[in-house]
Amino acid sequence: AQSVTQPDIHITVSEGASLELRCNYSYGATPYLFWYVQSPGQGLQLLLKYFSGDTLVQGIKGFEAEFKRSQSSFNLRKRSVHWSDAAEYFCAVAGGGNKLTFGTGTQLKVEL
Amino acid sequence: DAGVTQSPTHLIKTRGQQVTLRCSPKSGHDTVSWYQQALGQGPQFIFQYYEEEERQRGNFPDRFSGHQFPNYSSELNVNALLLGDSALYLCASSRGQNNSPLHFGNGTRLTVT
Repeated sequence: AQSVTQPDIHITVSEGASLELRCNYSYGATPYLFWYVQSPGQGLQLLLKYFSGDTLVQGIKGFEAEFKRSQSSFNLRKRSVHWSDAAEYFCAVAGGGNKLTFGTGTQLKVEL
Repeated sequence: DAGVTQSPTHLIKTRGQQVTLRCSPKSGHDTVSWYQQALGQGPQFIFQYYEEEERQRGNFPDRFSGHQFPNYSSELNVNALLLGDSALYLCASSRGQNNSPLHFGNGTRLTVT
């Protein structure tokens, strides 16, 4: 069965600092991987996705993620965090037929 | 172009009651999935509808059922509500079932008292 682990429940960074959110997955075949962001009271917005090809994928809002098969990881990064990035971030892996398995999320706080 | 819309936004029910939540997919999407997100948790897959049939189901009891209409909109029904059913219920739509990205609605917050 597929699974996703997000080891960091909460992360606090200063505005302008760099960010890395960790994600480890377990899946038997080549994974389809996603990062979503959720603001309070809102649904999930897709930041980026990895299906195949280049292991460094670019997303919206200046986010990028790197797929590392040897480490079963798909970490999310941003070079300079903005106060508006404060939200909860979810990593997910897709099994067959577009069924997503999500991690428990990482809550990002940005200090001004 | 409207995205995924869900109604109602909030709902309060009593244990043992039944509830129906509604979802209209994004224009051009034909597949609807439902997720339950308990407080402090990631979303969990309930089931998926395509061509008016349930195609996949997560680890949820039969109290959870659904329907998809010819216009691709969908309903989630929960019978015999339990306190543990209190959660944010998210609807997501996509085009087909080939791992195309899901587009989520803002959810329905269900509180069971």
